[in-house]
This record gives sequence, C-alpha cells and structure tokens, in this order.
Amino acid sequence: GAVVSQHPSWVICKSGTSVKIECRSLDFQATTMFWYRQFPKQSLMLMATSNEGSKATYEQGVEKDKFLINHASLTLSTLTVTSAHPEDSSFYICSARSSGHAHYNEQFFGPGTRLTVL
Amino acid sequence: DAKTTQPPSMDCAEGRAANLPCNHSTISGNEYVYWYRQIHSQGPQYIIHGLKNNETNEMASLIITEDRKSSTLILPHATLRDTAVYYCIVRVAFMDTGRRALTFGSGTRLQVQP
Repeated sequence: GAVVSQHPSWVICKSGTSVKIECRSLDFQATTMFWYRQFPKQSLMLMATSNEGSKATYEQGVEKDKFLINHASLTLSTLTVTSAHPEDSSFYICSARSSGHAHYNEQFFGPGTRLTVL
Repeated sequence: DAKTTQPPSMDCAEGRAANLPCNHSTISGNEYVYWYRQIHSQGPQYIIHGLKNNETNEMASLIITEDRKSSTLILPHATLRDTAVYYCIVRVAFMDTGRRALTFGSGTRLQVQP
C-alpha cells in the first residue's frame, strides 16, 4: 500500500514557540491531505482539509491563524502550530488521498506526531 | 454518513477469534462498511470494507447481515498485536465523495489477553 510519513514523530517545545510538522506521501501523489488531532482516550478529530496549491479548509472551531497549513506540492503538506500552548499538546495525524488507487482505500494515514508543549 | 454504534470495549483470548460488532441501522443503499484500526500511538490502518457480500482478506473477515443494518468484523486468530481500537465507518465509496475526509466515531477498544 501507499506510504505516508510524518516528521518529527514527537516534539517537545516551550509555550509560545511555533512547531512545524511535515507530512509526506512517499510513493504517490497526494491531491488532498487531511490533518487530524487526537487527545488522550479520544477519537480522531478532523482539523482541516488541504488541497495542493490552494488554501486549506478548516473545520468549525479550528483557528486557521493558529494552525497554518501549507500544501505546496503533491507530496508534502506542513502543519505549523503557532504560539503553542499546553492545551495544544496532542497527537497530530496526517492523511493523504490519491486518485490513483483503488476506490476502497484512497485515504492513507501517517504514523502521527506527538506534540508536548511545556 | 450513516451513524454507527459499537461497544466501547471487548476482551479476547490470544489465539481465539475476535468478533467485533457494529450496528448501522440507517445505512443507505450506496454506503459501504469500512473497518480501520488504530494501534496505540500510531495512525489508523485500513482493514477491510464491504457493500453487502461477506468479504475476507489476509487480515480479517467482514460479515454483513442481509438487511445490512449490522456487521461483524472477525479476526480469526487474535494475537497480542491485534490489541487496538477498531473503527466501523459507513460511507459512500471514496470515488464518490470528492475530497471528504473519513470521520471516526469512538470505536471498540479490543484487548487481546495472553
């Protein structure tokens, strides 16, 4: 199957700093990428949908100025958490969609990035 | 997407079959049943999907009732590595949804016991 990577796998930062998380599709072109957030013992919550070359679409309640998403190429999307605070500590998971695979499994998930804000 | 209902948790003995139920009584005719799982601190992993016929692959079997209002995911010989949260998702085929993301419910936390 298709492979999606994330970097870093974990990061610890101080409150007020910004953190960038990269999501790459390694062996396919991702026309659309999705960013999810998952708090402990909770399910995945969609944050935003990112289409290559255009602005991301954010879910209700997600601050677009705080969570900056860039999808500049068909294999890379980045999520920048600006002015991070402890409440932003979470598990961030990206997912990529390819139009080139069988219809049943067109959304592939990365391994996740654990962010801890001190 | 049709609403799904899953038990919050289940236990299974290692080597035995794990049967995970899912109710989806409001499923529409063009909606598929998808199963994903999430092992602790990892991204979700696709398992299997089906429309109305039973399906089997190298990971699991999916049994869908004739009225399609419920289904069961079967892991035939559960191992400790199968301990995870299992999500049942009902939605139209990916090719028909444009750019809409998968949405996840609470899932079933399966604990495989040694």
